Amino acid sequence: GENVEQHPSTLSVQEGDSAVIKCTYSDSASNYFPWYKQELGKRPQLIIDIRSNVGEKKDQRIAVTLNKTAKHFSLHITETQPEDSAVYFCAAMEYGNKLVFGAGTILRVKS
Amino acid sequence: DADVTQTPRNRITKTGKRIMLECSQTKGHDRMYWYRQDPGLGLRLIYYSFDVKDINKGEISDGYSVSRQAQAKFSLSLESAIPNQTALYFCATSMIRGSYNEQFFGPGTRLTVL
Repeated sequence: GENVEQHPSTLSVQEGDSAVIKCTYSDSASNYFPWYKQELGKRPQLIIDIRSNVGEKKDQRIAVTLNKTAKHFSLHITETQPEDSAVYFCAAMEYGNKLVFGAGTILRVKS
Repeated sequence: DADVTQTPRNRITKTGKRIMLECSQTKGHDRMYWYRQDPGLGLRLIYYSFDVKDINKGEISDGYSVSRQAQAKFSLSLESAIPNQTALYFCATSMIRGSYNEQFFGPGTRLTVL
């Protein structure tokens, strides 16, 4: 089955700096890659996703890139703000339409 | 607004007890999932159901069972709870139509097994 590895496990940045979280996946048949944000005490919520026929997608300050050959994808957050502090999860959708999640990255934005 | 709800939100139980966690949704989605969240391990799939007559095991189904009572209800049971089942449990729903397949999560149930 699919295996998703996520790095780093924790990330601290200064407000205004950029943050990058990277994930690798093992199953070349996976074709959908969402990113979820989980604020403290809250439920995970989708913030951006990308499909395997697209190399990059942007939504205001966040962007996701996908390298199918290398089987990795990354989340980029620019101009970070304190409200970006949260746990971020990447995921890959494997055969059977099941999501396999990475272990998560705790992002702390210091003001 | 259409939502996913879970009951109870918190539960403390003792080793060996049977407990049930319930999930309801008003989103009209066909697909429902149960996940377990542990620190440093992300979200792991326990069971999933693509319609009322469909039940499938996920990555970590041992010690758990589920029931899909209706399109809108999906329950998770721990037949004989043990301490390493202490975790945060999330229910989620989704629909897949064309290229749209976002999963929507409930608020979570924090379970402690003593």
